[in-house]
Amino acid sequence: LAKTTQPISMDSYEGQEVNITCSHNNIATNDYITWYQQFPSQGPRFIIQGYKTKVTNEVASLFIPADRKSSTLSLPRVSLSDTAVYYCLVGGRAGKSTFGDGTTLTVKP
Amino acid sequence: GAGVSQSPSNKVTEKGKDVELRCDPISGHTALYWYRQSLGQGLEFLIYFQGNSAPDKSGLPSDRFSAERTGGSVSTLTIQRTQQEDSAVYLCASIAPGTYRLADPTGELFFGEGSRLTVL
Repeated sequence: LAKTTQPISMDSYEGQEVNITCSHNNIATNDYITWYQQFPSQGPRFIIQGYKTKVTNEVASLFIPADRKSSTLSLPRVSLSDTAVYYCLVGGRAGKSTFGDGTTLTVKP
Repeated sequence: GAGVSQSPSNKVTEKGKDVELRCDPISGHTALYWYRQSLGQGLEFLIYFQGNSAPDKSGLPSDRFSAERTGGSVSTLTIQRTQQEDSAVYLCASIAPGTYRLADPTGELFFGEGSRLTVL
């Protein structure tokens, strides 16, 4: 199983861009990289998924270098409501995937 | 329903009792997962069901834990002789068929709100 490593916590201010990096040195050829967001007392919610290079959707961008041993979730212009725990998930079928311990992002006014 | 539904939302039980946690996945979703999340911790995979295939039970922590999925839909996670270390939020997630791309992809997991279990 590909193990992931993320920073335990990050602080930011409203309006700033936030980049959260996840290391996954043992990623397999067929593994995807997926990021989830979790608010207190809720289940995680899908943010973005990618395999290589860059993926962008309406809420975030995901940057994956050529060696795929890491990935960076980029949140543009964060607001207070972006305060949450962010998980990096690497793998195929989720049952064979590993959720990291998550990064607690705190956005301050 | 519109989303993954789990019940009960909260369960308090005494050590040694059995508990059952229920998950109703999104209609039409063929794959279903159970995860456990202890306070302040990440998600721990427990078990995975995919269609009619044998479930992947590799994450179950002990033989006190079991799960079944009836009719390819509703799933029940059973914990026998509960221990205090079983206290956690148990999360269920499902995934839609046909969302897979390339080989062995993840797709998007849809999570329920979880069942919070407290063992006294």
